[in-house]
Amino acid sequence: SQKIEQNSEALNIQEGKTATLTCNYTNYSPAYLQWYRQDPGRGPVFLLLIRENEKEKRKERLKVTFDTTLKQSLFHITASQPADSATYLCALEGAGNQFYFGTGTSLTVIP
Amino acid sequence: GAVVSQHPSRVICKSGTSVKIECRSLDFQATTMFWYRQFPKQSLMLMATSNEGSKATYEQGVEKDKFLINHASLTLSTLTVTSAHPEDSSFYICSAWTAMNTEAFFGQGTRLTVV
Repeated sequence: SQKIEQNSEALNIQEGKTATLTCNYTNYSPAYLQWYRQDPGRGPVFLLLIRENEKEKRKERLKVTFDTTLKQSLFHITASQPADSATYLCALEGAGNQFYFGTGTSLTVIP
Repeated sequence: GAVVSQHPSRVICKSGTSVKIECRSLDFQATTMFWYRQFPKQSLMLMATSNEGSKATYEQGVEKDKFLINHASLTLSTLTVTSAHPEDSSFYICSAWTAMNTEAFFGQGTRLTVV
């Protein structure tokens, strides 16, 4: 069966450190993978997209890697800030353009 | 980014009644809209995919007669929870997609509480 798993349910890090979140998937062959941020009681907000032929993508303090052999994506937030505290979701596209989400990782950046 | 408006943001209804949730794409025409359900501290679970002018495609385990989806135009989709029960209490989120973009744009979500 298809699965999208994210490394841990919750991650606490100190302000200024780099947060690394993991997304592993099975039985998918995605053309691209996306990362979203979700704040409590809100809908997800798109952050980054990385295509299967891209190894790495950056946007400001965010970096995403995509290894289609390992079936894994890593999401990094450098110089983390308390405002980065949120739940981060990875998402893969299905056959009908729908998006399937991972289990999510709740990140808390401690001042 | 594009704006998707979902209404209402919160609704409380009595068991046995029906509730309609609207999802509008405000500044683009959405080829496809998706409806998700999210329980506390869990991820988004896709319920159904709807394309304008055609019947919605439901994910396995989602009752199509209970969760009625109408996608009457390229900017509006509605989800009606019929004969709601307390176990239907959840956070419902819509998203809109167009071939012009690869990412989906999400509404603010609707917190449904059935008492």
